[in-house]
Amino acid sequence: NAGVTQTPKFQVLKTGQSMTLQCAQDMNHEYMSWYRQDPGMGLRLIHYSVGAGITDQGEVPNGYNVSRSTTEDFPLRLLSAAPSQTSVYFCASSYSEGGPAFFGQGTRLTVV
Amino acid sequence: AQSVAQPEDQVNVAEGNPLTVKCTYSVSGNPYLFWYVQYPNRGLQFLLKYITGDNLVKGSYGFEAEFNKSQTSFHLKKPSALVSDSALYFCVLNAGNNRKLIWGLGTSLAVNP
Repeated sequence: NAGVTQTPKFQVLKTGQSMTLQCAQDMNHEYMSWYRQDPGMGLRLIHYSVGAGITDQGEVPNGYNVSRSTTEDFPLRLLSAAPSQTSVYFCASSYSEGGPAFFGQGTRLTVV
Repeated sequence: AQSVAQPEDQVNVAEGNPLTVKCTYSVSGNPYLFWYVQYPNRGLQFLLKYITGDNLVKGSYGFEAEFNKSQTSFHLKKPSALVSDSALYFCVLNAGNNRKLIWGLGTSLAVNP
């Protein structure tokens, strides 16, 4: 049972480059979300989705896009990477918006 | 406004001693409260939750948490700490109409042998 799978685990980008962080879950969860974790700031919600075809902004959405074409996948796109986007990114899924969340292993992104 | 606070950045305990990681919350309605743990270089794992019912909630790895409505607290406890419990612990609040999660800043627990 894979749970929530994130790829890649590590990534280094140059300023201005774009990339997509992949997230897939096999638990048939409707609710998925993306967080970034920075030292001293806890987890901050970037975008979330309550089901296929439905996405919404979280606390820090600028510079990021998401889409949800299937229940299983919720990719996060960085449009034009900036050093301020250096962070650890976590994807999470849950059976409901308020239910316990299951997290992926994280992607450590460095923008130089 | 809904908020959650973890007043201690770091907690140090000796192995075998009881541990407490503190959490307080502010919410206008009934809170849903969670504890998550993050081990070094790993993702986050769900420990336990309070929705309603008994104020003492039991969770994974021998942890429990006590919900106290009058003190608006949800402290995480374990009777006997292990070195392997050393990790970052997050208290999380779910409240309000949108039911999104509100995360505390985390408390780093160090259990010394």
